[in-house]
Amino acid sequence: AQRVTQPEKLLSVFKGAPVELKCNYSYSGSPELFWYVQYSRQRLQLLLRHISRESIKGFTADLNKGETSFHLKKPFAQEEDSAMYYCALSRPQGGSEKLVFGKGTKLTVNP
Amino acid sequence: EAGVAQSPRYKIIEKRQSVAFWCNPISGHATLYWYQQILGQGPKLLIQFQNNGVVDDSQLPKDRFSAERLKGVDSTLKIQPAKLEDSAVYLCASSLGLRGGGTEAFFGQGTRLTVV
Repeated sequence: AQRVTQPEKLLSVFKGAPVELKCNYSYSGSPELFWYVQYSRQRLQLLLRHISRESIKGFTADLNKGETSFHLKKPFAQEEDSAMYYCALSRPQGGSEKLVFGKGTKLTVNP
Repeated sequence: EAGVAQSPRYKIIEKRQSVAFWCNPISGHATLYWYQQILGQGPKLLIQFQNNGVVDDSQLPKDRFSAERLKGVDSTLKIQPAKLEDSAVYLCASSLGLRGGGTEAFFGQGTRLTVV
């Protein structure tokens, strides 16, 4: 079975400080990893995915298969980054893709 | 393109009553998910459809929850009878369901259910 673990429920940093949201996964196959974000009063939306290897809103995440991790990083946090962040794993099932989420980390960026 | 539509946005019912939620996914998306999100927790997958077939319903409490996706488009999720612990936000999401670029899930606004 697959599992996504986000060890920090809450994370608080000051504006301009680096931020790292941790995500570890367990899955024996080749998963796709994602970070989803939910801003206040908005719907859950994709932030980035590991196969794209891109930076979105200054955030990056590298898939480390050896450590089974997919940590989300940003060198300089902004107040508008305050939100709930969910790490998610997708793996093949029944001709489709099963998408499983971690419990989420609430990031607060203080002025 | 239009996003995933859900209704109603809010629902308050008494325990042991029945309730139904409706979801209209993005046109052309074969995969449809229903998630339950209890306050302070991450989304928990209840059931997943590929077109009109069920791919995974391992975490659906089948004694009280049911879902269908007739014609492989819209979907309804029903709870009968509701319990206090069913209070949560019910999220519907859809995706192309294709590995390597088509796995992004698009979410609806959710239905907030309160059971009193």
